[in-house]
Amino acid sequence: AQKITQTQPGMFVQEKEAVTLDCTYDTSDPSYGLFWYKQPSSGEMIFLIYQGSYDQQNATEGRYSLNFQKARKSANLVISASQLGDSAMYFCAMRGGNSGGSNYKLTFGKGTLLTVNP
Amino acid sequence: GAVVSQHPSRVICKSGTSVKIECRSLDFQATTMFWYRQFPKQSLMLMATSNEGSKATYEQGVEKDKFLINHASLTLSTLTVTSAHPEDSSFYICSARANRAHYRGYTFGSGTRLTVV
Repeated sequence: AQKITQTQPGMFVQEKEAVTLDCTYDTSDPSYGLFWYKQPSSGEMIFLIYQGSYDQQNATEGRYSLNFQKARKSANLVISASQLGDSAMYFCAMRGGNSGGSNYKLTFGKGTLLTVNP
Repeated sequence: GAVVSQHPSRVICKSGTSVKIECRSLDFQATTMFWYRQFPKQSLMLMATSNEGSKATYEQGVEKDKFLINHASLTLSTLTVTSAHPEDSSFYICSARANRAHYRGYTFGSGTRLTVV
């Protein structure tokens, strides 16, 4: 069974500063993928960044970077130079393999509500 | 890029009626569709997974007779909430995946806010 844990229900950051959102995971699949999504109040799910379990380097996408520590089973999201528009709910998710007919489903954490203060 | 169109975005229905939510992949073939439910300030909970032409696989605790899923074509999947009650009020969102999709290959619809009165 897969499990994603996000221990920060809410986080505050000042505009233009960096912030780290925590995510730890547990899985028995040797091959897996880790995602971060942003969900503004409108409800849409916006893909931010992806890290594969065999990727050698940490993923980066513009202001987003993923601090992947495989031995510690953590995949923290770092947002640099925060903007007011970054205020939203952030979800960490994991894709496992297709064992047992799981169809590569995503398992989501509980989310972290990020508020960027001016 | 891949787009999934989800309709309606909002719906209000009377208790006891049925509501159909559609998710349509516009520029790719969605071999697998995932349906999620999200209560306010909570995470996305997977309800069921459907593969085109096959019966949906429901997660534990989800009533398959209440939440009917049809995935008859590679571009259209529907979720029908039958005999809706106020406790079914929630945000429903679909996510489509193409066969042999790129690792990022999950495309979400924009969601449907269902209110049962």
